[in-house]
Parts: sequence; structure tokens; C-alpha cells
Amino acid sequence: KAGVTQTPRYLIKTRGQQVTLSCSPISGHRSVSWYQQTPGQGLQFLFEYFSETQRNKGNFPGRFSGRQFSNSRSEMNVSTLELGDSALYLCASSLGGADQETQYFGPGTRLLVL
Amino acid sequence: GESVGLHLPTLSVQEGDNSIINCAYSNSASDYFIWYKQESGKGPQFIIDIRSNMDKRQGQRVTVLLNKTVKHLSLQIAATQPGDSAVYFCAELDTGRRALTFGSGTRLQVQP
Repeated sequence: KAGVTQTPRYLIKTRGQQVTLSCSPISGHRSVSWYQQTPGQGLQFLFEYFSETQRNKGNFPGRFSGRQFSNSRSEMNVSTLELGDSALYLCASSLGGADQETQYFGPGTRLLVL
Repeated sequence: GESVGLHLPTLSVQEGDNSIINCAYSNSASDYFIWYKQESGKGPQFIIDIRSNMDKRQGQRVTVLLNKTVKHLSLQIAATQPGDSAVYFCAELDTGRRALTFGSGTRLQVQP
């Protein structure tokens, strides 16, 4: 099975712009979670989608949003970019049907905001 | 590759030695724990998991120990190899929110 894929791998944006990142989960996985990784804050949970619905959300401002499509692919959007949004954005997928499930990560999208 | 932490604790071992990486978790209600390995330029890779009704679980060359009394996890790697060099994270799952909470990570350096 192919793993979790994320596109693009690298992005450079300027402050005030918006960005959309894409994630394709492992085939058969219906849950997609997004995480932000920075040197200062480590890995932090953004949100989780299941069956096209946001099921859980972390403590991030409303500028961070996401959606999931009927084929379980997910996108996250960050509007009005700030310098502090520079990070590695990771997507993880799991089957989604049980509570204790392993989440498998993609390679991430490296976002640099100038 | 990315820096996953500017001041990560580092464990340096010789090739062939056993490595022990420790982690303290915060939520006494957490009931599922995972160890991930992250190499430069890659996303976290699943190594091994353990549920709270167990105190030990073994995989290939890896063992995870869970001590719920003191909220402590450890990852033991037998016969450490240069390919084991990476940053290792423990994560606890808040099953109510389905959100992983990650530790700050430990950098493992294997000297040939």
C-alpha cells in the first residue's frame, strides 16, 4: 500500500498571503489529522477529519482551517499568513473507526513565510 | 533537513550497544502510547505502540515499557545500528479528542 502523500513538499509565501496544503491518506483510511511542527513548539495537533466532517480541533486560530473530500483526501488552508506560521505541516491518517488507532504520517509540507 | 528541536536532549551510543530512550507523559487518563522515529527530511515513522493495560511490549529489536504509576515510558533498542540515528518521540493519545500529544523528542546518535 502506498503511504500518506502530501503536496507540495515545499512552499515559500509572504506575509498576508494564504496557502492550501493537500494530503492523500493511506488507501482505506478515513481519518486524517493535521499537525504543525516547529523547533520551538514541537508537534502540535491542528484538527482531525472523518467522513468529511471536522471531528476534533486543536488550539489554533481560525486562520487555520481544513476540509475533507468524499475520497478521504484532505486539504488545510492557512489564511493571512504570519511569519510564525513557518513550520513543517504533517498529515497523518488512520482507519478512523476505533479510538486507539495508530496514526501514520506523511513526509510533510515545509512552509516558509517571508 | 528540518530541525525538530533546537535543544533536544541527545543520546550518543556506540554501534552494537543497547539504547534506552525515556519519556514522561502528562495525562494520567491517556490509555494509548506510540513511539515514533523521525529522520531528517521525513515525517514521523511508527515504531511501536502500547495500550495502558500492558506494561511491556516487544517488537523487532525494540521494547516499550510503560509505568503508569509514575507516568513514564521507555523505548529500548537492542544492538543499535547507524540507521537508528534519528529523533525519537513518544506520543500519548487522547482518545476523546483523537489527538496525539507529543513529547519534545530525543536525538539518538549512533557512533560507528
